[in-house]
Amino acid sequence: AQSVTQLGSHVSVSEGALVLLRCNYSSSVPPYLFWYVQYPNQGLQLLLKYTTGATLVKGINGFEAEFKKSETSFHLTKPSAHMSDAAEYFCAVTGAYNQGGKLIFGQGTELSVKP
Amino acid sequence: KAGVTQTPRYLIKTRGQQVTLSCSPISGHRSVSWYQQTPGQGLQFLFEYFSETQRNKGNFPGRFSGRQFSNSRSEMNVSTLELGDSALYLCASSSQTGVNHNEQFFGPGTRLTVL
Repeated sequence: AQSVTQLGSHVSVSEGALVLLRCNYSSSVPPYLFWYVQYPNQGLQLLLKYTTGATLVKGINGFEAEFKKSETSFHLTKPSAHMSDAAEYFCAVTGAYNQGGKLIFGQGTELSVKP
Repeated sequence: KAGVTQTPRYLIKTRGQQVTLSCSPISGHRSVSWYQQTPGQGLQFLFEYFSETQRNKGNFPGRFSGRQFSNSRSEMNVSTLELGDSALYLCASSSQTGVNHNEQFFGPGTRLTVL
């Protein structure tokens, strides 16, 4: 069984400040981990993913995440927030062994960026 | 490559009716997954179709069903609509082959309102 917990349903940062969105997962098989972003009235866009290999993953728009197996975490960071980063962010997990197209999502974190 | 398309984008139905939503995946993608997004329950996996067969299923009642055609296009059907079925229904496609096999690409969604 798999699950994802995102700590903090709302996070507010000032423009230029560090963005840190927390994600912890549970998985009985080696996980594949994803971060998606959703802008209002739109679908989900993939920011980055971890499958195997390097545990520090870089994505689009300056975001990165680090897979920490010992902490079962996959936190998303960005060194300097931009107004355009305001959106909802979802962490998701699927199993590495032919789990097919079944993503299990966290509850989401809404990011606000103050000028 | 064209992205995932979903039709219609908006739909209003009344309780007891049934509805069919359509999803066209990215060309070459054989897997189509469906998700329901609501403010209370977040993003929940409905089912996945791969090569015209349902491969994974979430915890939804039998009123929710789907199918996939030989060209990989997929439809989902909800019968005997309830107020609680009001949601954004998202479709995602993935190749399920190669190094990016678990990467899902999402459509813009169909917003269903049940009155």
